[in-house]
Amino acid sequence: ETGVTQTPRHLVMGMTNKKSLKCEQHLGHNAMYWYKQSAKKPLELMFVYSLEERVENNSVPSRFSPECPNSSHLFLHLHTLQPEDSALYLCASSQEWAPGLAGNNEQFFGPGTRLTVL
Amino acid sequence: AQSVAQPEDQVNVAEGNPLTVKCTYSVSGNPYLFWYVQYPNRGLQFLLKYITGDNLVKGSYGFEAEFNKSQTSFHLKKPSALVSDSALYFCAVRDFQGGKLIFGQGTELSVKP
Repeated sequence: ETGVTQTPRHLVMGMTNKKSLKCEQHLGHNAMYWYKQSAKKPLELMFVYSLEERVENNSVPSRFSPECPNSSHLFLHLHTLQPEDSALYLCASSQEWAPGLAGNNEQFFGPGTRLTVL
Repeated sequence: AQSVAQPEDQVNVAEGNPLTVKCTYSVSGNPYLFWYVQYPNRGLQFLLKYITGDNLVKGSYGFEAEFNKSQTSFHLKKPSALVSDSALYFCAVRDFQGGKLIFGQGTELSVKP
């Protein structure tokens, strides 16, 4: 176990549904991340939160809406998704979000939510 | 711009043989390099990293990686492969200016008995 949990593990939704993905980290980290993983493609960074403030938003469509109520929890709210949004959504955390600093900033990943949009 | 390339989609190795998974990178400054492994239906697990110091880095599960600045490579190696090493391996780079990791597309390692 990495100390990062995600629920649900699998989700099937229609294009008109609204659903949310949840991530929780038990590591005392200050930074949390959402990634999208599609087959045969590099991981795509979607959002980064540092101390509950969004610090990166990589041109993600507005049908994905993140929320970080505290440093231990991260949500991804989904609304009117498209079939091409089907993928594995991974949450990760790290001690800090630290541009300009070296060091022990490896990320710890949750098991992911396998999302299928019909 | 930062980038990472894993030139092989798949690597096949017989159990007991040495394995190499290749990674090359491009960054504007000093690179910080990472390897992660993903087993089926699991998230990514950290294997090892290079920040500074010795070019040969040792990590989890008997894996090691060699940083080669002149060839801008960071290949993952293991002297004797196990069937349980079969998984998807990702190389990632982070530069000094940016906080985020840039991942390669992954290499699927298959170790046969």
